[in-house]
Amino acid sequence: EAGVVQSPRYKIIEKKQPVAFWCNPISGHNTLYWYLQNLGQGPELLIRYENEEAVDDSQLPKDRFSAERLKGVDSTLKIQPAELGDSAVYLCASSLGQETGELFFGEGSRLTVL
Amino acid sequence: QKEVEQNSGPLSVPEGAIASLNCTYSDRGSQSFFWYRQYSGKSPELIMSIYSNGDKEDGRFTAQLNKASQYVSLLIRDSQPSDSATYLCAVTVSSASKIIFGSGTRLSIRP
Repeated sequence: EAGVVQSPRYKIIEKKQPVAFWCNPISGHNTLYWYLQNLGQGPELLIRYENEEAVDDSQLPKDRFSAERLKGVDSTLKIQPAELGDSAVYLCASSLGQETGELFFGEGSRLTVL
Repeated sequence: QKEVEQNSGPLSVPEGAIASLNCTYSDRGSQSFFWYRQYSGKSPELIMSIYSNGDKEDGRFTAQLNKASQYVSLLIRDSQPSDSATYLCAVTVSSASKIIFGSGTRLSIRP
């Protein structure tokens, strides 16, 4: 069974440029999460989807971040414009449901903003 | 007070010894508790989940939960160099129906 797939693995951009990350969850997993992880810190939730509905986006900086999950499968996280402080690893995870709490993570997308 | 607290370490344990990792949480309504292992430069992977008070054993790993004390721990027996990683404690927060991660404890197993 394929795991959670993310792309790109690495991205280097200049500040004020846009960037987008893509995630394909494990087949059959209805719940999809985007987390942000800074060095030496635990993952911090940005947004959670149940199928195509964003059910928790309270931590998503909506002035510059946006996300979508069309058809309840793949998801895209976008930052526009990027700031220096956005440099981090963006992790996508999926699970059978929020109740299980057992998350399967992708390899992450490491963003460096210069 | 952070919702999930862990000692950042590093925790250094000799090979073959027992490594003990601890985590406290603030939400008394939390029902689900997880330990994830994260190797340097890699993403977290689930190693243990525990839902009721007491001990849960899986191979060399034992998770312990005490809801009255709001405390969850992970014991690693016969520690191996391959156990060197950061261990993340995660807890479901009932009020917000979300999973919160601690900042992790870095474990180093010395030969």
